[in-house]
Amino acid sequence: QQQVKQSPQSLIVQKGGISIINCAYENTAFDYFPWYQQFPGKGPALLIAIRPDVSEKKEGRFTISFNKSAKQFSLHIMDSQPGDSATYFCAASRRMDSSYKLIFGSGTRLLVRP
Amino acid sequence: DTGVSQDPRHKITKRGQNVTFRCDPISEHNRLYWYRQTLGQGPEFLTYFQNEAQLEKSRLLSDRFSAERPKGSFSTLEIQRTEQGDSAMYLCASSGRESPGLVDTQYFGPGTRLTVL
Repeated sequence: QQQVKQSPQSLIVQKGGISIINCAYENTAFDYFPWYQQFPGKGPALLIAIRPDVSEKKEGRFTISFNKSAKQFSLHIMDSQPGDSATYFCAASRRMDSSYKLIFGSGTRLLVRP
Repeated sequence: DTGVSQDPRHKITKRGQNVTFRCDPISEHNRLYWYRQTLGQGPEFLTYFQNEAQLEKSRLLSDRFSAERPKGSFSTLEIQRTEQGDSAMYLCASSGRESPGLVDTQYFGPGTRLTVL
């Protein structure tokens, strides 16, 4: 059962443009939604995270928008740079799971052209 | 802080052989996770340790898989009688002591890429 659905699978953006990646979840018990960035040959690294009590969180060029009623959240990368080219994963976890294990989406491969 | 380290980084083995991977978490972290990532997919949870206790195992973790975390420090993941379907990246992550109402960030290691021939 795919609990977190991510789209698009791949994305090409020109330098300076806005990259938008979307995720949808099914389980309303999820209460923590991080985004991870992964470069080839590396492990995922936390980029930004949000809890459902806020609708938006911004850190530098990265913004998460959260729509609790629609059970959707998205990552916006402003002024996209070639160095942002990587695979991005949304994820979700819930406090009732004492492990706080992460349920990941299938990933979006972003390519930012110079 | 040297981050999460994993060893080896790459492992090629023949079907039917046993393999063991090691994870060294960030030193003060009491939570340790193993995930498996196949090509083009997101990581999938395998198992979780709090200190030395293995508290949760995924249904993905068949009887051929075993994980340990002696003394709550490093962890090992062993796969017995490897199959071609075991080929994947095995990721380890650790997180620190939970603050009430907060969720600690999971920090991932670079992974061990397993190829079963």
